[in-house]
Amino acid sequence: AQKVTQAQTEISVVEKEDVTLDCVYETRDTTYYLFWYKQPPSGELVFLIRRNSFDEQNEISGRYSWNFQKSTSSFNFTITASQVVDSAVYFCALSEWVMNRDDKIIFGKGTRLHILP
Amino acid sequence: EAQVTQNPRYLITVTGKKLTVTCSQNMNHEYMSWYRQDPGLGLRQIYYSMNVEVTDKGDVPEGYKVSRKEKRNFPLILESPSPNQTSLYFCASTRSRDTLFEQYFGPGTRLTVT
Repeated sequence: AQKVTQAQTEISVVEKEDVTLDCVYETRDTTYYLFWYKQPPSGELVFLIRRNSFDEQNEISGRYSWNFQKSTSSFNFTITASQVVDSAVYFCALSEWVMNRDDKIIFGKGTRLHILP
Repeated sequence: EAQVTQNPRYLITVTGKKLTVTCSQNMNHEYMSWYRQDPGLGLRQIYYSMNVEVTDKGDVPEGYKVSRKEKRNFPLILESPSPNQTSLYFCASTRSRDTLFEQYFGPGTRLTVT
């Protein structure tokens, strides 16, 4: 069965520190998608990134980077030189990709990140 | 402006009184879904729709109904709300199954059932 585990419920770091949010997933399929969403204090959900299971290249977007490792079933998210505006709840999610099957999306429980000035 | 709208944004109701939360998108997206967000549980998918007249259950469909008569609208119906349905609800849409995870979320509806 699908499962997404974000073991860190809450993290606090001082501004300018780097921080890594962990995401570990379980799936029975070889084809699947992983992604991250951000939910700032205002409450909206913002898409950050999607990766498919065949693309293990790490990705960098500005201060954000993602480390996808199939060997450890992890898709970790690192913020470099954190800023107060990065304070939010971050969700990792998973969906399997099988023709003619349902497309449920499973979210982790989220990690609340506090960036302290 | 591309957006997903939900109404109402806040609702307080009583047990058993039927209610509908509307969701509308202006991007001609095929795929729409509803989630509920609860403390410590994250986001859980309630129902989703891959296109008009095609809906299916997510992980927590009990107590909810949906319909997809038009592409742009995907209302969530609570026929007989109960206090355990007090939650923050999000509607989301994406262009198609191929872009499944580049979802656009609505602003959320905070529902309280007393």
